[in-house]
Amino acid sequence: GAVVSQHPSWVICKSGTSVKIECRSLDFQATTMFWYRQFPKQSLMLMATSNEGSKATYEQGVEKDKFLINHASLTLSTLTVTSAHPEDSSFYICSARTGGMGNQPQHFGDGTRLSIL
Amino acid sequence: GENVEQHPSTLSVQEGDSAVIKCTYSDSASNYFPWYKQELGKRPQLIIDIRSNVGEKKDQRIAVTLNKTAKHFSLHITETQPEDSAVYFCAASHNYGQNFVFGPGTRLSVLP
Repeated sequence: GAVVSQHPSWVICKSGTSVKIECRSLDFQATTMFWYRQFPKQSLMLMATSNEGSKATYEQGVEKDKFLINHASLTLSTLTVTSAHPEDSSFYICSARTGGMGNQPQHFGDGTRLSIL
Repeated sequence: GENVEQHPSTLSVQEGDSAVIKCTYSDSASNYFPWYKQELGKRPQLIIDIRSNVGEKKDQRIAVTLNKTAKHFSLHITETQPEDSAVYFCAASHNYGQNFVFGPGTRLSVLP
């Protein structure tokens, strides 16, 4: 149980392109999903917390107009990297929490490797 | 806010030996401490977690201990195997916090 699916797994595109990444909870409802960015050999950096039916909460330093998050249903959250540039190249991972409280496990998707040429 | 430190950053052990990774946290309100294992290019996977109402939890070769007074918790892996090689992240959270605060990670290498 608690499976999180993330697509696509790998994206290569030209600078200036917008890229959408989907995160789905397959066998549970997730009121809260999280988007992380991970640089090589580094820890998970939280970008934003996505709550179903409301606006996402962004961490300090993360541009909300650059990284658009939509959580329209209890099983789907999307991250759109708008007008992507080479510095946006990274590994993006989503996670979803099964319970409503903060002290519940997060289950991660497989991640999306984004390469901007 | 919460701050989680993790040591060591890298750890090499011989197959069959034990490995111990330690984390400290700063927020006394934190009451949930999961450990994740991440293999290269793959998703972090929850391997064990502990809540503040217990001091120790064990699952086969993996155990976690928690010292609330000192605000530190540790992951213990016994009889290590090459497939245990990965990066391990600790994290801390509490009831009303939305997200986890992750430690910087420990790269464990189990040498055959």
